Amino acid sequence: QKEVEQNSGPLSVPEGAIASLNCTYSDRVSQSFFWYRQYSGKSPELIMSIYSNGDKEDGRFTAQLNKASQYVSLLIRDSQPSDSATYLCAVNSNSGYALNFGKGTSLLVTP
Amino acid sequence: EAGVAQSPRYKIIEKRQSVAFWCNPISGHATLYWYQQILGQGPKLLIQFQNNGVVDDSQLPKDRFSAERLKGVDSTLKIQPAKLEDSAVYLCASSFSSGGNEQFFGPGTRLTVL
Repeated sequence: QKEVEQNSGPLSVPEGAIASLNCTYSDRVSQSFFWYRQYSGKSPELIMSIYSNGDKEDGRFTAQLNKASQYVSLLIRDSQPSDSATYLCAVNSNSGYALNFGKGTSLLVTP
Repeated sequence: EAGVAQSPRYKIIEKRQSVAFWCNPISGHATLYWYQQILGQGPKLLIQFQNNGVVDDSQLPKDRFSAERLKGVDSTLKIQPAKLEDSAVYLCASSFSSGGNEQFFGPGTRLTVL
C-alpha cells in the first residue's frame, strides 16, 4: 500500500511568518511530487511540482525534496491570511499511474 | 486556455437512485482522471483514461460505478445504484500525458445521497 502521510493540523502561523508543511511517502520509486492548495468548498489547485532532490522556489513558495529520506516539504514565506487553506501533498510513481494524495494539512494564517 | 469543465456542480439523490457526472478536460490533454474526495480526506483515484483506453480502474467499485471516455475527449462517470457512502465530491482532472505530468482539476461535483 503506497502511503502519503501529512500532519492534519491545523497549523497556525501569524501573518508574515514562514509556514512549513511536511509530507512523507512510502513508495521508494516515487518520481514526481506535487503540492496542491484547496480552499474550503473548492477543488485542488496546483501550486508547486518538484522532481529532483533539493529546493525549488516560486515566488513565496519553496518546495524541498529529499528522496533518500522520502520527505517533501513546502515553505510559504511572508504568510498571508489568504494562504489559509488545506495543503495536499501528492506523489506519483514512474509507472504512469495517477497521484496518491495525503489527507492534507490545514493551515491558518492569523492577522 | 479553458480549464477542466464538470457538470452538474451539485446533485442530491435518494439511495438506490442513479446519477451521472460529465467532464470535459483541457484541450489537448490525453489523460483524464476521476477522483472521489470524501470530507476530510485527500482525493482517491477511481479511474484513469489515456485517450479512450482505461489505464487504471483498480479502485473503481465496478458493481455500481462505471465510466467511459468515448472518442478520447469528454467522459461520463455513473453510479447505479447509489449508496449513502457515495456522498462525496467527484473530481475530474486532466494532464497532457500520464506519468509525472501535472494534473489540473475541475470544480468538482458535490453528491449528496439521502
